[in-house]
Amino acid sequence: KAGVTQTPRYLIKTRGQQVTLSCSPISGHRSVSWYQQTPGQGLQFLFEYFSETQRNKGNFPGRFSGRQFSNSRSEMNVSTLELGDSALYLCASRTEGLNYGYTFGSGTRLTVV
Amino acid sequence: GENVEQHPSTLSVQEGDSAVIKCTYSDSASNYFPWYKQELGKGPQLIIDIRSNVGEKKDQRIAVTLNKTAKHFSLHITETQPEDSAVYFCAASMGYGQNFVFGPGTRLSVLP
Repeated sequence: KAGVTQTPRYLIKTRGQQVTLSCSPISGHRSVSWYQQTPGQGLQFLFEYFSETQRNKGNFPGRFSGRQFSNSRSEMNVSTLELGDSALYLCASRTEGLNYGYTFGSGTRLTVV
Repeated sequence: GENVEQHPSTLSVQEGDSAVIKCTYSDSASNYFPWYKQELGKGPQLIIDIRSNVGEKKDQRIAVTLNKTAKHFSLHITETQPEDSAVYFCAASMGYGQNFVFGPGTRLSVLP
């Protein structure tokens, strides 16, 4: 069974640009969440999508957005990049039911210069 | 909202010794507590979890205990091995459809 796949693995962008990150969840998982990981702030929740609808949202500015497609694949977009957006962006999927645990991808390392 | 604290931030143990990492949470409505291990260059991996209706859970060398009254839970690793070296994160969630709030992490080093 394939795991959570995130592309690309690494990105370097310039301040002011925008970026789109992609996530393919485990087959059968309809819930996809995104987290930002930085040394200073740890793992911070961005948003969760379930059946193409945003179910939860963290405390990030509107420059951070996402969407989910009918096949459960998800994308997140960051517009007007700032230096502070440099981070590891992690996607996680999970099945519904009693087993709530996320399965994380390896992440996309975004560097803003 | 929920806040999760985790201690210690770094932990070094000799191979074969035990390691204990402790977390506290603030919201008594939290009912699901997973632990994740993150190795360099990889995403966090779920290693064990516990629900609020259970006080202890064990899986081979790893165990988790939960004290709902005190709102804290702990990860216990026995007979540590060098491959246990990683960053460990605890988390709390209010259950179905809710996001996780993670602790800041503990860097565990197992010295040969």
